[in-house]
Amino acid sequence: NAGVTQTPKFQVLKTGQSMTLQCAQDMNHNSMYWYRQDPGMGLRLIYYSASEGTTDKGEVPNGYNVSRLNKREFSLRLESAAPSQTSVYFCASRRASRGQPQHFGDGTRLSIL
Amino acid sequence: ELKVEQNPLFLSMQEGKNYTIYCNYSTTSDRLYWYRQDPGKSLESLFVLLSNGAVKQEGRLMASLDTKARLSTLHITAAVHDLSATYFCAVDRDDKIIFGKGTRLHILP
Repeated sequence: NAGVTQTPKFQVLKTGQSMTLQCAQDMNHNSMYWYRQDPGMGLRLIYYSASEGTTDKGEVPNGYNVSRLNKREFSLRLESAAPSQTSVYFCASRRASRGQPQHFGDGTRLSIL
Repeated sequence: ELKVEQNPLFLSMQEGKNYTIYCNYSTTSDRLYWYRQDPGKSLESLFVLLSNGAVKQEGRLMASLDTKARLSTLHITAAVHDLSATYFCAVDRDDKIIFGKGTRLHILP
């Protein structure tokens, strides 16, 4: 039982390059989330998808796009990477029922030079 | 706009002592979560609090929720070194889940 799988685990990009972070869950969860974690800033919500076919902006959506490809997969795209986007990115999912906790992937460490 | 504040952000304490972490939030919600994160690892769920007055306990940790005060607490009783980690609270409003900045807890032997 894999849970939430994020790929890649590590990536180094140059400024201006584009990249897609992949996230897949095998728990039949309805809701999926992308967060970034920076030292001293906690986790900040980038985008979320409450159900298949919907996406909404979080706290820090600028510079990112998302695609809810199907119920299992939720991808995060950086169109033109900037050094300020250097971070650890976490994907999470949860059931749609009220009050369910999120299940997190292992994270993607992204460095932009 | 939903804001979540935790304090303290860093706590160093002796084994055997008690302490409380506070989580305040800015808008109405009755769904609050606590998570633990070890260095370099992902987050794991500790507690789910779903109503005013809810209290959950697991070992030396106890969490409570006061929705009228928009306040949750995570109380640590007789701390042990294994509880050293970063603890996050998160508030759920219509599927939008916002985290506090976390409390880094360091327990000295």
